[in-house]
Order: sequence, then structure tokens, then C-alpha cells
Amino acid sequence: ETGVTQTPRHLVMGMTNKKSLKCEQHLGHNAMYWYKQSAKKPLELMFVYNFKEQTENNSVPSRFSPECPNSSHLFLHLHTLQPEDSALYLCASSQVFGSGANVLTFGAGSRLTVL
Amino acid sequence: KQEVTQIPAALSVPEGENLVLNCSFTDSAIYNLQWFRQDPGKGLTSLLLIQSSQREQTSGRLNASLDKSSGRSTLYIAASQPGDSATYLCAVPGRDGNYQLIWGAGTKLIIKP
Repeated sequence: ETGVTQTPRHLVMGMTNKKSLKCEQHLGHNAMYWYKQSAKKPLELMFVYNFKEQTENNSVPSRFSPECPNSSHLFLHLHTLQPEDSALYLCASSQVFGSGANVLTFGAGSRLTVL
Repeated sequence: KQEVTQIPAALSVPEGENLVLNCSFTDSAIYNLQWFRQDPGKGLTSLLLIQSSQREQTSGRLNASLDKSSGRSTLYIAASQPGDSATYLCAVPGRDGNYQLIWGAGTKLIIKP
């Protein structure tokens, strides 16, 4: 079992729903990440928070809204999603950000299906 | 711009065989290279991290090599077992100052009993 916990593990939502994904890390790390994994495509970095401050937003549509209330918790708020947003959303954490020596610890992911 | 490629996209071999997974990258000035494993519907588990100054790293039946000059890394799995079935991904830090990981698309490995 990893030190990064994601809930829910599976989520099915309609395009008009509002839902949230939650990530919690128990490793004392200072940086947290949201990744999107679609079938047969490389992982896509969505957001990075370093010491609770957002440092990266890789041109992610505004229908995805991240929130990092503290260094241990990260949320991804979802609203008016599209079917193409269906994917596995992975949360990760690392001790530091901005170093080539970063070692990421991943959660098990939240499988999202948008109908 | 760094690009990471993994070939083949899928591989199926009988149990007990030794096998090699390939990872290539276009910019040889990497800080390190990581190999990850992903089980179906699960997150990623870090397997091996090779620093740029190293040629290889070993963990149990796994051996990862790194040849920066040729832009290649290989993951060697000895005496494969059905439990090794998973998708294997490699990643290198980019050179954008933030060292965001650049990922390959992965090789899906199936070990047949």
C-alpha cells in the first residue's frame, strides 16, 4: 500500500454533474501533482502544487479546478466535463519540486467515466 | 524538446523467459531515468532510478541500464513470472527548469503461464 491515497477509486458522472476527486499523502512531502492517463497515451501532467502554491497549470481546461488546502491534501473539482475527459486520474507527491532528483510516489488513481 | 519512446507497445512471452524492454529519449542531457510499473487499473510503482552518472541499477530480477550517448535505456527482466505482467513505463526529467517528467507511453507485458 502506498502512502498516497485517492478517493473515490471509480466515478461515473454526467456532463452536468459536479464532483471532486480527493488525494491525501502521508509521506511528509511538499509537492503534489495531478496527472491524467488516457488509453495508449503518455501521462499528462495537469497541475503541480509546491508548498500549497500552484506552480504549474499545463493548459488544463477550466472545467478542472484544483485545490490544495495544505501540503497533505489535494482536490480536483470537476464540473461540466466532456466524454473525452474519461480517464484515470493519478495523484502523486514528492519531497521537493523543481529538482531533477524528484522521486514521485503515486496513488492508485481514480477511474473517471463521463457519460 | 525531449521525447521518450517505448517499443514495443505490447509484448507477450512464456513464463521463464528473460526479456528486455526498451526506452529511448531524444535529448541525452538527462538528469536521471526512472522505470515504473503499473498494474491494470492501478497507480504507478517506482522500480528503478538510474542517475546520469550510472550505467545500471539492479533490484532482484530487474536490471536497468542507461546509455546516455545513444539515448537508450533497457529494463532486463530475468526468469519472467506471470506476476510480472503489467505495463512498464520509463520517464526522464525535462530541461525546462522545473524538471517535469517526460513519459513514454509504456510497454504492456503479458507473461503466459
